[in-house]
Amino acid sequence: DAGVIQSPRHEVTEMGQEVTLRCKPISGHNSLFWYRQTMMRGLELLIYFNNNVPIDDSGMPEDRFSAKMPNASFSTLKIQPSEPRDSAVYFCASSLWVSGSYEQYFGPGTRLTVT
Amino acid sequence: DQQVKQNSPSLSVQEGRISILNCDYTNSMFDYFLWYKKYPAEGPTFLISISSIKDKNEDGRFTVFLNKSAKHLSLHIVPSQPGDSAVYFCAASGGYGGSQGNLIFGKGTKLSVKP
Repeated sequence: DAGVIQSPRHEVTEMGQEVTLRCKPISGHNSLFWYRQTMMRGLELLIYFNNNVPIDDSGMPEDRFSAKMPNASFSTLKIQPSEPRDSAVYFCASSLWVSGSYEQYFGPGTRLTVT
Repeated sequence: DQQVKQNSPSLSVQEGRISILNCDYTNSMFDYFLWYKKYPAEGPTFLISISSIKDKNEDGRFTVFLNKSAKHLSLHIVPSQPGDSAVYFCAASGGYGGSQGNLIFGKGTKLSVKP
């Protein structure tokens, strides 16, 4: 399997622009997670989906952030408008949720820089 | 308030010696714990896990110990190798009534293994 695929790997944009990050989870996995990593806050969960349904979006920092999962093989995280404080590495992870199994598999991340 | 804490941001160890990475947690409802390893420019990769019904789990050179009364877990790497140099994250789950694999991560410990 190709693992979790994220695109783009790097994104540089100007403040106020819309940014869309993309994720393809591992085939057969039924849970998908979006994380943000910063020096100050470490790795924090933004939102997660189970069977394409958003379960918990309490980590989404503001209304400028939105995430969708239109089908089992694709998810997007959108920031509109972007701000310099959104600069971070964004990870997508997927897992096969079964009772007692918590392992998540991470993509390589998207490094976002907002100037 | 951090529910999972890794109080040592960095650790340096000589090749061949033991590396001990520590993690403390505050939520007594956590029932599953994981360690992830992260290399630069890559996503975290799953290393080893332990259920709260156990106090030890071993996989090759890696052993995780859990002390529930102290709310403490540790990862032992024996013997340490230069390729083990990475950031290690502790993660916990189950504190949300089994919320489908939601993980809470510590901020990580950077391990450097010197030849």
